[in-house]
Amino acid sequence: ELKVEQNPLFLSMQEGKNYTIYCNYSTTSDRLYWYRQDPGKSLESLFVLLSNGAVKQEGRLMASLDTKARLSTLHITAAVHDLSATYFCAVAWNRDDKIIFGKGTRLHILP
Amino acid sequence: DVKVTQSSRYLVKRTGEKVFLECVQDMDHENMFWYRQDPGLGLRLIYFSYDVKMKEKGDIPEGYSVSREKKERFSLILESASTNQTSMYLCASSLDQSPLHFGNGTRLTVT
Repeated sequence: ELKVEQNPLFLSMQEGKNYTIYCNYSTTSDRLYWYRQDPGKSLESLFVLLSNGAVKQEGRLMASLDTKARLSTLHITAAVHDLSATYFCAVAWNRDDKIIFGKGTRLHILP
Repeated sequence: DVKVTQSSRYLVKRTGEKVFLECVQDMDHENMFWYRQDPGLGLRLIYFSYDVKMKEKGDIPEGYSVSREKKERFSLILESASTNQTSMYLCASSLDQSPLHFGNGTRLTVT
């Protein structure tokens, strides 16, 4: 069974600081997604990571994938208040292609 | 831009009623998904479909069924609604390994 764990589940940080959100998963997968959700809104795609060692960057966010360790990270550089949101990772299970989400990391950036 | 439309934004139903949640996508995507989102639990996969008339169970299919008679439409059916099915329901579609595109969600309350 595919399990996806994110940590931390809640993060409060100061503007200007760096931090990393971790996403671990339990079985073989070579496809991982990161999404952002603002309060009252639906999910918006941030990154798709399709191979071991993949790294994607957009602005202050950078995502990476290590399929051997079954780990993805979402790194935030010099956080700004606009990045406050809930971030989800989602993993596609190789066995039957179901896509399973983590519980989300609620990020609160203090001005 | 891909548009995923869920027929209702808010829905209130009584216990025991049969409930239909409709989802339509306009980009000829093969893959469609139904999730429910609850605080602290993230998104949980109910059912998904990779083609017309095909369906696969997700992690929490009990109490639900689905129908996909046309490629663009994926319906979620609550055979006999119960209060523990009060939740936000999110429909999504995708093509191959592309990210999921989500609808705006249906907030269902069962009284």
